[in-house]
Amino acid sequence: DARVTQTPRHKVTEMGQEVTMRCQPILGHNTVFWYRQTMMQGLELLAYFRNRAPLDDSGMPKDRFSAEMPDATLATLKIQPSEPRDSAVYFCASSFFPSSYEQYFGPGTRLTVT
Amino acid sequence: ELKVEQNPLFLSMQEGKNYTIYCNYSTTSDRLYWYRQDPGKSLESLFVLLSNGAVKQEGRLMASLDTKARLSTLHITAAVHDLSATYFCAVDSGGSNYKLTFGKGTLLTVNP
Repeated sequence: DARVTQTPRHKVTEMGQEVTMRCQPILGHNTVFWYRQTMMQGLELLAYFRNRAPLDDSGMPKDRFSAEMPDATLATLKIQPSEPRDSAVYFCASSFFPSSYEQYFGPGTRLTVT
Repeated sequence: ELKVEQNPLFLSMQEGKNYTIYCNYSTTSDRLYWYRQDPGKSLESLFVLLSNGAVKQEGRLMASLDTKARLSTLHITAAVHDLSATYFCAVDSGGSNYKLTFGKGTLLTVNP
């Protein structure tokens, strides 16, 4: 049963700490997306990669957020330093372009910054 | 800036009734997506509509796309409690750069 996995599922941290979230896309998928969901802003695209290369990170605060794909099976989203306004659910999604436009979402990482 | 508007944002309906959720968008993209999200859960893909006039159906849900009107509808037939969830539509930016812009979601509650 192919699915996107994310770790950790929950993270509580103090303001100023570094947070790293990880995503394993579905095997063979070549496009990976990072989204953030909050009550106020809804679902927002932060960044996405194709074949491990960043295509767009315009939705990401550049001063504290960074996204990478060290290899085809791992995507990371890092926040340093974290702030309370970063509290949200962070979703990773993957797809196989151009065969399919459908994006498959992971279970999400619920981040709370106190 | 691409805008996606859903209405209604909240929908309470009785089991057995029919209703439609509307999704308007501001770009000329012809790719429209519907997702379902249960409380505390991830997003589940329901439909991907890729051309003008596309219609897809799964069980009690039917989605359609009118690219000229920049409008998609999600029609619910004879609602049942299990359909209670938040439904999102999303539009991508077109071409090979298909990043999604989501609507705010419609919280659907189906009452017995």
